Amino acid sequence: EPEVTQTPSHQVTQMGQEVILRCVPISNHLYFYWYRQILGQKVEFLVSFYNNEISEKSEIFDDQFSVERPDGSNFTLKIRSTKLEDSAMYFCAGEGNRNTEAFFGQGTRLTVV
Amino acid sequence: KQEVTQIPAALSVPEGENLVLNCSFTDSAIYNLQWFRQDPGKGLTSLLLIQSSQREQTSGRLNASLDKSSGRSTLYIAASQPGDSATYLCAVARPNTGNQFYFGTGTSLTVIP
Repeated sequence: EPEVTQTPSHQVTQMGQEVILRCVPISNHLYFYWYRQILGQKVEFLVSFYNNEISEKSEIFDDQFSVERPDGSNFTLKIRSTKLEDSAMYFCAGEGNRNTEAFFGQGTRLTVV
Repeated sequence: KQEVTQIPAALSVPEGENLVLNCSFTDSAIYNLQWFRQDPGKGLTSLLLIQSSQREQTSGRLNASLDKSSGRSTLYIAASQPGDSATYLCAVARPNTGNQFYFGTGTSLTVIP
């Protein structure tokens, strides 16, 4: 069964460092998302991406964040200068057609120290 | 802004019991509602998707219903098993935003052998 793959599963970084979280979506998916879940809190929407551009972004997704799909397969989330409050589980998700079933990856646990 | 609430926050039942998890949302103008399962420290596994024109979906021992007018969905689990122990999340998508979900805080289910 096809699945969304995220790497790494866990990343520890120092405050102020740049991190790139990687996702390989299901091959026929067209719409992509990043979500995050701070420990003990709700899963929150960060950004949606379609046709190589951002469709929507939340207020969390400020200038420190960026996304791209450079090679038509990997979908990445970059945080330019990490802060302690960026520590969370980050989930990538995708769907084939709009408003169909969304499939999530296993997540990357980011710890900023 | 859409608010999604799940009750109860935690539930413990003996194996074999049937149970109902509740999800309520404040804005009835939704497109999709999707139920997920999350195991500790893991990703989100899709259980059932209900599109706005549907009233229920079934998969195996799971049945999810949707009443948009009252802003409610229920997830019914029949003949619960210890392997069903997990956190169950309800997620609601607004129209014209793809799967930009608003998530509930989840119900933590423990099935006692």
